[in-house]
Amino acid sequence: KAGVTQTPRYLIKTRGQQVTLSCSPISGHRSVSWYQQTPGQGLQFLFEYFSETQRNKGNFPGRFSGRQFSNSRSEMNVSTLELGDSALYLCASSTDREWGIQYFGAGTRLSVL
Amino acid sequence: GENVEQHPSTLSVQEGDSAVIKCTYSDSASNYFPWYKQELGKRPQLIIDIRSNVGEKKDQRIAVTLNKTAKHFSLHITETQPEDSAVYFCAASRSGGSNYKLTFGKGTLLTVNP
Repeated sequence: KAGVTQTPRYLIKTRGQQVTLSCSPISGHRSVSWYQQTPGQGLQFLFEYFSETQRNKGNFPGRFSGRQFSNSRSEMNVSTLELGDSALYLCASSTDREWGIQYFGAGTRLSVL
Repeated sequence: GENVEQHPSTLSVQEGDSAVIKCTYSDSASNYFPWYKQELGKRPQLIIDIRSNVGEKKDQRIAVTLNKTAKHFSLHITETQPEDSAVYFCAASRSGGSNYKLTFGKGTLLTVNP
C-alpha cells in the first residue's frame, strides 16, 4: 500500500500570498488530519476531515482552511501569508475504526519570506 | 481544551542506559495516549499506544505506563541504542466520540551516546 503523500514537498512564498497544500491518504483511510510543526511549538492540530466533513478544528485563525474531496484527498489553504506561517505542515490519515493510529506524510515545508 | 505537557525537552543518555519521558494531560475524558517517534528529517511514526483501561503496555524495549488518577503517562526505553536517537512526542485524545483531535506534547529530543 502506498503511504500518505503530500505535495509539494517545499514551497517558498512571500507575505500576503496564499498557498494550497495537498494530501493523499492511504487507500481506504477516510480520515485526514492536518498539523503545523514548528521547532518551538511541536505539532499543533489544525483540523480533521472525514467523508468531506470537518469534524474538529484547532485554534488557528480563519486564514487557515481546508477541505476534503469524495476520494478522501484533502487540501489545506492558507491565505494572506505571514512570516510566522513558516513551518512544516504534516497531514496524517487513519481509519475511523482505529482513528488514533495516524499515519503521517513527509510534510510540506513552507517558507514565507 | 486538552493540554499536554511533556518533560524533559532534551534527554541525553549513554548507550545501554534507560530513558524515561513523562507527560501530563488536563482533560480527564482523554482515554487514548499514543507515542510517536520522529527521526531527523523523517515523518512521525507511532511506536506504542495505550488506552485508559490498561495501566501498562510493553513492546520489546519500549513500555508505556498510565496513571489516570494523576493524569500522567510515561514512555520507558530500556537498553537504549544509538538508533533510538530521535524526537519523541506524546499525545492524548478522546477515542471515538466527537473529539477526533490529537493533542501533542512539545517533544523530547533523545540523544543516545555510543
